[in-house]
Amino acid sequence: GQNIDQPTEMTATEGAIVQINCTYQTSGFNGLFWYQQHAGEAPTFLSYNVLDGLEEKGRFSSFLSRSKGYSYLLLKELQMKDSASYLCAVMDSNYQLIWGAGTKLIIKP
Amino acid sequence: ETGVTQTPRHLVMGMTNKKSLKCEQHLGHNAMYWYKQSAKKPLELMFVYSLEERVENNSVPSRFSPECPNSSHLFLHLHTLQPEDSALYLCASSQGSGTGATIQYFGAGTRLSVL
Repeated sequence: GQNIDQPTEMTATEGAIVQINCTYQTSGFNGLFWYQQHAGEAPTFLSYNVLDGLEEKGRFSSFLSRSKGYSYLLLKELQMKDSASYLCAVMDSNYQLIWGAGTKLIIKP
Repeated sequence: ETGVTQTPRHLVMGMTNKKSLKCEQHLGHNAMYWYKQSAKKPLELMFVYSLEERVENNSVPSRFSPECPNSSHLFLHLHTLQPEDSALYLCASSQGSGTGATIQYFGAGTRLSVL
């Protein structure tokens, strides 16, 4: 079966750095997506990785290792507004998105 | 504002009611999706429409009936629902579906409670 694993909940301090991991086993691979979802709001696109390596976009970076079936989302200089759920999703060989259950990130002052 | 609008935002219905969820996208996309989001569970894909034709139906019970009258609008008709159908229903759109990696843009969802 297809499976995406990510931690259920993480806590970090304002101004710090946090890394949210995602591991996957899927039928084929056509890229990995990260989305951010604030409570009661729409999931919004953060990043897309299809090749190995690190993609940096401001305070957020996303890393992919296809051989290890592993990705992480790195958030730097954490702000209170970063408190949200972070969803990892992999596009399989049929170009269908397989979703993780999401990681709830709590930022403390 | 994501360009995808869902109404209503909240809905409470009894098991014998009939109601409809509405989704509208202003992004010029040609594919639209319905997802179910339950607490602490992955998003479950329910239906996919590409160019107004249904291309995916993931074994969803017949009490959920989708309708896509044009590429900008998507409906989910609900009847004789069960309490376990209570969840957040998300609509999404993308440019293309099933032929390449595309970004999906989501609405804020309809929070459905079935009593």
